[in-house]
Amino acid sequence: DTAVSQTPKYLVTQMGNDKSIKCEQNLGHDTMYWYKQDSKKFLKIMFSYNNKELIINETVPNRFSPKSPDKAHLNLHINSLELGDSAVYFCASSPNHGAGGYTFGSGTRLTVV
Amino acid sequence: AQSVAQPEDQVNVAEGNPLTVKCTYSVSGNPYLFWYVQYPNRGLQFLLKYITGDNLVKGSYGFEAEFNKSQTSFHLKKPSALVSDSALYFCAVRDLGGATNKLIFGTGTLLAVQP
Repeated sequence: DTAVSQTPKYLVTQMGNDKSIKCEQNLGHDTMYWYKQDSKKFLKIMFSYNNKELIINETVPNRFSPKSPDKAHLNLHINSLELGDSAVYFCASSPNHGAGGYTFGSGTRLTVV
Repeated sequence: AQSVAQPEDQVNVAEGNPLTVKCTYSVSGNPYLFWYVQYPNRGLQFLLKYITGDNLVKGSYGFEAEFNKSQTSFHLKKPSALVSDSALYFCAVRDLGGATNKLIFGTGTLLAVQP
């Protein structure tokens, strides 16, 4: 019974394509996040939604567009994929209040060729 | 702005020996500090956190961390390392500047435990 699930786990695609990564959490958390982990393993936040409202939008190309149909889902759509988009993308969720940490999904490894 | 630093890219330790993975932080107020572990091809797993109270925090898998306010450090420790502890460890601080609950991660430290 996975708490934060992402699909697909692996994604190989050509430059210029458009792709989506889906994320769902069954923890009842209010806030969801997308992080990017690059080849050096650095983790950088991209977006965060709280109850379907965008609250964090870091310096990310506008080819990346998050969508949250409800508070249990946060999808990431990427247009016109570039080689530099190759990375592992992690979804996470957390309670809105208190000092809790995040629960992470297992990641989506995106390879752009 | 809040930040954390992990000065070591890699820590090598023999199985059975004590291990320490270092983390220092910079915050403008009281820090909320976390340790996460990432095993190969897996997501990040929560190990422990410091919010307030005792400076020594105990977490999963026998790990503990000591909060030291004067040294602004939050080092991860374990008395006896296991080969299965080999993984990538991230220190993180919660951004207290707003209501976003954003976690800011360090650059990670690869722990290698030799049999």
